[in-house]
Amino acid sequence: GAVVSQHPSRVICKSGTSVKIECRSLDFQATTMFWYRQFPKQSLMLMATSNEGSKATYEQGVEKDKFLINHASLTLSTLTVTSAHPEDSSFYICSAPRQGLPVMRQYFGPGTRLTVT
Amino acid sequence: GQQVMQIPQYQHVQEGEDFTTYCNSSTTLSNIQWYKQRPGGHPVFLIQLVKSGEVKKQKRLTFQFGEAKKNSSLHITATQTTDVGTYFCAGHGSGNTGKLIFGQGTTLQVKP
Repeated sequence: GAVVSQHPSRVICKSGTSVKIECRSLDFQATTMFWYRQFPKQSLMLMATSNEGSKATYEQGVEKDKFLINHASLTLSTLTVTSAHPEDSSFYICSAPRQGLPVMRQYFGPGTRLTVT
Repeated sequence: GQQVMQIPQYQHVQEGEDFTTYCNSSTTLSNIQWYKQRPGGHPVFLIQLVKSGEVKKQKRLTFQFGEAKKNSSLHITATQTTDVGTYFCAGHGSGNTGKLIFGQGTTLQVKP
């Protein structure tokens, strides 16, 4: 089946630094990828839609300048958390949709656990 | 905007008891998907329902899609400890963008 990888799986950084998270679709191309954030015991909250070759679409309340998204190729999207603060500590998950029959299905990466100290 | 509500938030059952989680959307859905997330893991696709009134079974799991395509349920018969996790329903947003709107999830705990 389709596989989506994410790197790194865990990262600890100091407040004020930036962290880049990579999301790759390993055996299919994804013109669109999605970035979610999940706080403990909460649901997945969609942050933004990453579009290959164009600007990302951010959900309401998500700061574009803080969460930089780049979809450089059909298999890679990156999320950079800039000037990270402790409140940015969370589980970040990407997903890539793959058209199947009869509808589109999401394949999730394993997630990146970010801890900002 | 579109919202997907899911209840209950938590459910503790004794092993062998049944379990049901319910999902309601503020708008009609083209389809609904169910995912399971184990503690510390990522969501794993379980199933998708497309047709009005559709019922699908996977061993002890029964999934239903309402006639109006605005609600869905997941029923587990005779729970086992391996069923522990959080179950999410998710509906697609308008258009065929692949964008999923997730319910809040129901966390199932099974006591052996």
